[in-house]
Amino acid sequence: DTEVTQTPKHLVMGMTNKKSLKCEQHMGHRAMYWYKQKAKKPPELMFVYSYEKLSINESVPSRFSPECPNSSLLNLHLHALQPEDSALYLCASSQEGVSGNQPQHFGDGTRLSIL
Amino acid sequence: QQPVQSPQAVILREGEDAVINCSSSKALYSVHWYRQKHGEAPVFLMILLKGGEQKGHDKISASFNEKKQQSSLYLTASQLSYSGTYFCRAGGTSYGKLTFGQGTILTVHP
Repeated sequence: DTEVTQTPKHLVMGMTNKKSLKCEQHMGHRAMYWYKQKAKKPPELMFVYSYEKLSINESVPSRFSPECPNSSLLNLHLHALQPEDSALYLCASSQEGVSGNQPQHFGDGTRLSIL
Repeated sequence: QQPVQSPQAVILREGEDAVINCSSSKALYSVHWYRQKHGEAPVFLMILLKGGEQKGHDKISASFNEKKQQSSLYLTASQLSYSGTYFCRAGGTSYGKLTFGQGTILTVHP
């Protein structure tokens, strides 16, 4: 069991659908992250929130829209996705703001398939 | 800049040892090590911050060289549970953008 909870575990959607991925942590961590991971590849950073403010956007297409309603929750809103967006989407958190000396705690991910 | 891991894959029998390297052309602020089993989340193993540092727990340890351009992960007397993909995550500054290496697939056979 991980302390970062992601829902849903699996999601299949059409290219015209709108859906959201959710991530929750109750460890009091102040930085939260979204990653995209393709098979046999490392996680690729998408977004970072630090103290509920967006601090890093890795030039992600606008069809992905992050939201941090509070320090425990992180959402990723999806709209008009492409087949190449099919991947495992991982959420992570770390204790303090974005810092090179903080370990990340990962959720189990949402496996997304775009038809 | 993505750190470079080597080897890309390792196959062991139980009880054998392995070393995985993570290198950069520039000095790193820190190196983090993670293990990801198939279909699961990456799990944090350890962080190294200081040149010349060595740390570890149980039979998994790591070092960071003096120039802070290479870290090595040591797995001794490997167990079946060690199988998975090992990633280093490293960056050149104290803030933010650390990048994962491409990963090393470790397979331990009985």
